[in-house]
Amino acid sequence: GAGVSQSPSNKVTEKGKDVELRCDPISGHTALYWYRQSLGQGLEFLIYFQGNSAPDKSGLPSDRFSAERTGGSVSTLTIQRTQQEDSAVYLCASSLDGTGREKLFFGSGTQLSVL
Amino acid sequence: AQRVTQPEKLLSVFKGAPVELKCNYSYSGSPELFWYVQYSRQRLQLLLRHISRESIKGFTADLNKGETSFHLKKPFAQEEDSAMYYCAVNTGGFKTIFGAGTRLFVKA
Repeated sequence: GAGVSQSPSNKVTEKGKDVELRCDPISGHTALYWYRQSLGQGLEFLIYFQGNSAPDKSGLPSDRFSAERTGGSVSTLTIQRTQQEDSAVYLCASSLDGTGREKLFFGSGTQLSVL
Repeated sequence: AQRVTQPEKLLSVFKGAPVELKCNYSYSGSPELFWYVQYSRQRLQLLLRHISRESIKGFTADLNKGETSFHLKKPFAQEEDSAMYYCAVNTGGFKTIFGAGTRLFVKA
């Protein structure tokens, strides 16, 4: 595809509900990242996938957050029992490799609002 | 722990004035440094990175290892430079750490 694709672009949910956010990286990019963008907080690293290796989940804020990447391509970030503090923009990025020294290509993000 | 500090949340300058967006990082090694920019209603994108020693849209950034800084500068700001700017650091692993961002507003 032309770039990193994320869906939905906006999601409004009620506190306590589960949500799934989807990311389709650039074809051929082996590394995929999830970040959370909150007002005044910058970009908070959540999780990283490199090829078919086990993901690094060190940035996930709680066990309500999980993510998977199927077939080394599409990734889904799941938030269970959403809380109001989960409201933020969730950004997905991919890069050609996972060295961290290559530039990241970002999606447009999913704006999550928990009421 | 690695940390990236952007002390100004908002920076407002007049068109044609010089602009400097500050970035300090905490890491004693040789990190890779980036500036990312997000224009209104656009996605976050790379502006420039230290290793390339490039000037993009008139912006430059110099690494000062002594002060652990990577400030972004432009001699003459333009209205189209108004955007959110993020400084980012990578220390060799996969994790790129971002600062809180500085919103630049260039007034006519």
